[in-house]
Amino acid sequence: GQQLNQSPQSMFIQEGEDVSMNCTSSSIFNTWLWYKQDPGEGPVLLIALYKAGELTSNGRLTAQFGITRKDSFLNISASIPSDVGIYFCAGEYGGSQGNLIFGKGTKLSVKP
Amino acid sequence: NAGVTQTPKFRILKIGQSMTLQCAQDMNHNYMYWYRQDPGMGLKLIYYSVGAGITDKGEVPNGYNVSRSTTEDFPLRLELAAPSQTSVYFCASSYSQGMAEAFFGQGTRLTVV
Repeated sequence: GQQLNQSPQSMFIQEGEDVSMNCTSSSIFNTWLWYKQDPGEGPVLLIALYKAGELTSNGRLTAQFGITRKDSFLNISASIPSDVGIYFCAGEYGGSQGNLIFGKGTKLSVKP
Repeated sequence: NAGVTQTPKFRILKIGQSMTLQCAQDMNHNYMYWYRQDPGMGLKLIYYSVGAGITDKGEVPNGYNVSRSTTEDFPLRLELAAPSQTSVYFCASSYSQGMAEAFFGQGTRLTVV
């Protein structure tokens, strides 16, 4: 089946540093979504990308939809303690509704 | 505005027991979904519904059943609980096709012992 490889698995960074994480796949996706999940909560959408090459920002977050449609990255600039959490990428493809393939997540820890 | 509400938040079941996970949304969304999240993994789609009376299987439907008698509610039923169903279950809803518009509930943590 389709799989997403998300890396890194975890990151420990100092407050103020920039963060970069990415997802790759052997499959093509129509949409890339990036979520943040806090402990005991459901995923919250950060950024949605709809076409190849698209670069979108949301505050300190920037994400890009790869040209090949098989990859995406998320950057967080000037990290702050509240950025702590697990970040998931998800690729959406055609066919059945709700068919998202999720990466395994990147756990971000920020040291003040 | 409550959004997507899931109950219960936590539950422990014995093997072979049955239970229903409740999900309700007050946003008049047509599309509703059930996902499960295993430790250290992303979410996987169990079932989804595109409107009242219409449901369909997702990626991992075995061992589960759903119904959608109203727009607001989308309960998930486990008939014979198994340890492999220990997971966190998330319900989501969206107004339009496409998960970018979806809202997730807070999840139900289920342990089967």
